[in-house]
Amino acid sequence: DADVTQTPRNRITKTGKRIMLECSQTKGHDRMYWYRQDPGLGLQLIYYSFDVKDINKGEISDGYSVSRQAQAKFSLSLESAIPNQTALYFCATSESLSNQPQHFGDGTRLSIL
Amino acid sequence: DQQVKQNSPSLSVQEGRISILNCDYTNSMFDYFLWYKKYPAEGPTFLISISSIKDKNEDGRFTVFLNKSAKHLSLHIVPSQPGDSAVYFCAASDNGGATNKLIFGTGTLLAVQP
Repeated sequence: DADVTQTPRNRITKTGKRIMLECSQTKGHDRMYWYRQDPGLGLQLIYYSFDVKDINKGEISDGYSVSRQAQAKFSLSLESAIPNQTALYFCATSESLSNQPQHFGDGTRLSIL
Repeated sequence: DQQVKQNSPSLSVQEGRISILNCDYTNSMFDYFLWYKKYPAEGPTFLISISSIKDKNEDGRFTVFLNKSAKHLSLHIVPSQPGDSAVYFCAASDNGGATNKLIFGTGTLLAVQP
């Protein structure tokens, strides 16, 4: 089983709908992250969480919200989806020590019509 | 302003030869650098990293070189294999890694020809 699991893997929805992307991990890491990737671009940080009570905005948080339900679960919500939020979304985890790599899930491909 | 740049969108090499992927950065506060490999329909996979106190780190066929004065890092793959064909992202972080926040480049698509 994958250490970092994202659901759903693919989603097509309409403008204005509320969408939740879920991420769960079995690595036991305290830190979790949500990224977005657009075609031809690198990954951009949306939100990150150091533990259940510590959530921080990343570079592109507008239009998104998150919830850290438990150490192992971190969900990303689009309250009212718009077409320019069509992208590939990745969840990642890392240990709390300095200079640690992040470990990624396989992504959710989200299309908003 | 793009702080981490990968100026070559693609690279093609022959199997058995060396692949060299390049990355430039602008923020002199970056002190931890990573390379990730990404296959289609999968998430990025951590490959190798280097701290700014070093100028070279090696792991099997993969070696990362860091030139702090030039703000440049490179990934060498020797020998290249067809299974290495993927998109390679470089990434960097600052704050002594305290936040582990990463800034990613736009990626280089490596194609290793049999």
